[in-house]
Amino acid sequence: QQQVKQSPQSLIVQKGGISIINCAYENTAFDYFPWYQQFPGKGPALLIAIRPDVSEKKEGRFTISFNKSAKQFSLHIMDSQPGDSATYFCAASSGSRLTFGEGTQLTVNP
Amino acid sequence: DTEVTQTPKHLVMGMTNKKSLKCEQHMGHRAMYWYKQKAKKPPELMFVYSYEKLSINESVPSRFSPECPNSSLLNLHLHALQPEDSALYLCASSQEKTPGQIFSDSPLHFGNGTRLTVT
Repeated sequence: QQQVKQSPQSLIVQKGGISIINCAYENTAFDYFPWYQQFPGKGPALLIAIRPDVSEKKEGRFTISFNKSAKQFSLHIMDSQPGDSATYFCAASSGSRLTFGEGTQLTVNP
Repeated sequence: DTEVTQTPKHLVMGMTNKKSLKCEQHMGHRAMYWYKQKAKKPPELMFVYSYEKLSINESVPSRFSPECPNSSLLNLHLHALQPEDSALYLCASSQEKTPGQIFSDSPLHFGNGTRLTVT
């Protein structure tokens, strides 16, 4: 089972608010969970990543929370800014295969 | 800007044409990847080269032919494509300290892609 389920499909947040995107997986062989940010016309860029032996990782305004028993992980964007408006993909890897979620289109209104 | 360079940025080709997409990285990465991305969809893995050898082919039609001339270069040769092959083609690389593994210390770095339109 290689599927990664991501929600919501789209998200609108006011400037300064918190954006939360959730992902769930089934395959317990996944051992690396990155989040990618993609702007229109650009390739995905690694935002932040976590391994399953860690429950939380924070880098600036971006935090990943990881719940191994529930097989869920989420991205929190604090103090969301209009420049954060982009598509966000969660992903999970096993070996050389990186399986992406369906993506969340985030819009941060000024 | 990304350290993975893809050319051309845009390509329009007819169904009888032969064209190639090129990808280059100078980060010393030993794994290189081709992904295909349709609008509003996640990237889909096509091919993986690990240490210049093709290690994964995700059942991609033979009209797509990858080539890895050396550890810095990756090509995708296109022939007799169909309109439904129109998409953003993304190249990526990773350090892959252990062959066959994407670890947190060797994540994928993507290029900005080639926007391919097949007419």
